[in-house]
Amino acid sequence: EDQVTQSPEALRLQEGESSSLNCSYTVSGLRGLFWYRQDPGKGPEFLFTLYSAGEEKEKERLKATLTKKESFLHITAPKPEDSATYLCAVQVRGAQKLVFGQGTRLTINP
Amino acid sequence: EPEVTQTPSHQVTQMGQEVILRCVPISNHLYFYWYRQILGQKVEFLVSFYNNEISEKSEIFDDQFSVERPDGSNFTLKIRSTKLEDSAMYFCASSVDTGELFFGEGSRLTVL
Repeated sequence: EDQVTQSPEALRLQEGESSSLNCSYTVSGLRGLFWYRQDPGKGPEFLFTLYSAGEEKEKERLKATLTKKESFLHITAPKPEDSATYLCAVQVRGAQKLVFGQGTRLTINP
Repeated sequence: EPEVTQTPSHQVTQMGQEVILRCVPISNHLYFYWYRQILGQKVEFLVSFYNNEISEKSEIFDDQFSVERPDGSNFTLKIRSTKLEDSAMYFCASSVDTGELFFGEGSRLTVL
């Protein structure tokens, strides 16, 4: 069964304190790995897609990386507005659905 | 910036009633989806729709659920006879191909 596990479940940082969120996956064949941001009561907002091991994508203070077993979302010098739940999802080759992880709830204190 | 829009934002219904949730996907997108998120749980796939037919569905998407694209812009999810366990946030999404999905803000369904 395809599985996605995110850690930690929650992370509290001070403004400017860099850290990383982890997404481990077990799939039969990976087509793509996706990172989304979700604010309370809102829909997931697309951040990145990664397709192959070694690939990296950056956007502002966020950088996503991918290996054959996991992905990291690195956040550099975060600001309070980066507070949100970050979701990781995988798409298996030949399928259309995304399989989501539980998410990491990130809080950045000023 | 184009976005996926959903209505209603919140619907309260009695158990056993029919509910229709509506979505307007991004105009040049070809694939349409419904996902749901029960409070505190993962986002779960329900169904994908392409070329006017269901292209993939999950085991959650049983006979009480149906989807339709009645015209060139709307995409609907119908729940025929709602149960308490159908209470969730329902997200519509669309994509150009089977890659990046863009989600709407969601419709919160409360079944009493």
